[in-house]
Amino acid sequence: QQQVKQSPQSLIVQKGGIPIINCAYENTAFDYFPWYQQFPGKGPALLIAIRPDVSEKKEGRFTISFNKSAKQFSLHIMDSQPGDSATYFCAASNTGTASKLTFGTGTRLQVTL
Amino acid sequence: EAGVVQSPRYKIIEKKQPVAFWCNPISGHNTLYWYLQNLGQGPELLIRYENEEAVDDSQLPKDRFSAERLKGVDSTLKIQPAELGDSAVYLCASSGSGPLTDTQYFGPGTRLTVL
Repeated sequence: QQQVKQSPQSLIVQKGGIPIINCAYENTAFDYFPWYQQFPGKGPALLIAIRPDVSEKKEGRFTISFNKSAKQFSLHIMDSQPGDSATYFCAASNTGTASKLTFGTGTRLQVTL
Repeated sequence: EAGVVQSPRYKIIEKKQPVAFWCNPISGHNTLYWYLQNLGQGPELLIRYENEEAVDDSQLPKDRFSAERLKGVDSTLKIQPAELGDSAVYLCASSGSGPLTDTQYFGPGTRLTVL
């Protein structure tokens, strides 16, 4: 009930490409969906987040698409750059239970020149 | 503004030895979290504090793990005795009060290796 499934496990794209990372959740009580970016040796850092009252949110080159009926959400990175090479985690929480985040298993993205 | 501070960054110990990790959250953040991150996995919550009270410790293996947050600021996570399977990164995060309580800010983590 608390699981968040993330795919793919790894992804290689060329510079300028648009990597897409997908997540699916089961718990319909989840109402907050953040994406975190993690570089080697660093802690995860919040990238962008969405709530289920909107279907899309854009911040710079990063876009979240949200499909409430399918219980799925995805991260798109426009015009990807080598500096975007990192591991990306989706997460979900029910803010009624005070922000206990359930993380996906992560996607290792490599952007090549 | 300083971020979440953790120390040590790396720790290597032999099995059955005790170990402790320290976390200083972002100033003013009432909520503090300890997460465990295994290699190639997402973080998993161990314990969450609201001020000095542990409000969710359901995932903390209480036979060997303990945590405290005296005075509702800094926190310490302890393992005694450590086992080989405890090798992982231990992450501390904090979040504030008010409308943006959902955003959790993570520290760099402590990488524990148990030999």
